[in-house]
Amino acid sequence: NAGVTQTPKFRILKIGQSMTLQCTQDMNHNYMYWYRQDPGMGLKLIYYSVGAGITDKGEVPNGYNVSRSTTEDFPLRLELAAPSQTSVYFCASSYATGATWATNEKLFFGSGTQLSVL
Amino acid sequence: AQTVTQSQPEMSVQEAETVTLSCTYDTSENNYYLFWYKQPPSRQMILVIRQEAYKQQNATENRFSVNFQKAAKSFSLKISDSQLGDTAMYFCAFMTQGAQKLVFGQGTRLTINP
Repeated sequence: NAGVTQTPKFRILKIGQSMTLQCTQDMNHNYMYWYRQDPGMGLKLIYYSVGAGITDKGEVPNGYNVSRSTTEDFPLRLELAAPSQTSVYFCASSYATGATWATNEKLFFGSGTQLSVL
Repeated sequence: AQTVTQSQPEMSVQEAETVTLSCTYDTSENNYYLFWYKQPPSRQMILVIRQEAYKQQNATENRFSVNFQKAAKSFSLKISDSQLGDTAMYFCAFMTQGAQKLVFGQGTRLTINP
């Protein structure tokens, strides 16, 4: 059972380059999220999705795009990389029915992608 | 908007001691969830404990327990009999019922010394 898989684990980009961070989960979770973690800080929500075909902005969406064409995959796209996007990126997923998590539900995280923009 | 504040950037204790990490939050909602996550150097995010706001009883998971003070909007984590493996960043997180989005605090770096 792989859980949430992120690729790549590390990447260095030059300013202005673009790339896609891949995220896939095999738990049939309907909710998926992208967070970024700046050095010494907590996680901030970039985008999230409540199901295939549905995405919404989080706290810090500028400079990013997402898509959710399947339940399993939730890629994050950086179009014009900037030094301010240097961060660790986490993908996460969860399952919820209705408007709330079940008693024992939780968020499953990937292992993160360390991105540096130079 | 909801906010989560962890006022202790770093803490350090000796092995086997008890340590308490502080967390306060701000919300106008009545139904919500609170979480503590552990992030070791491996970067993995590990759920330590969760608390439903409607429950008056404080959550406990083995050596980890919380002190949930709803009126004060406080949610501290107590680690008893601390172990070297407890060394990590600890994040407090909040989620409104129905929002399906976690809001994280800035984190507390905890070091357990031998």
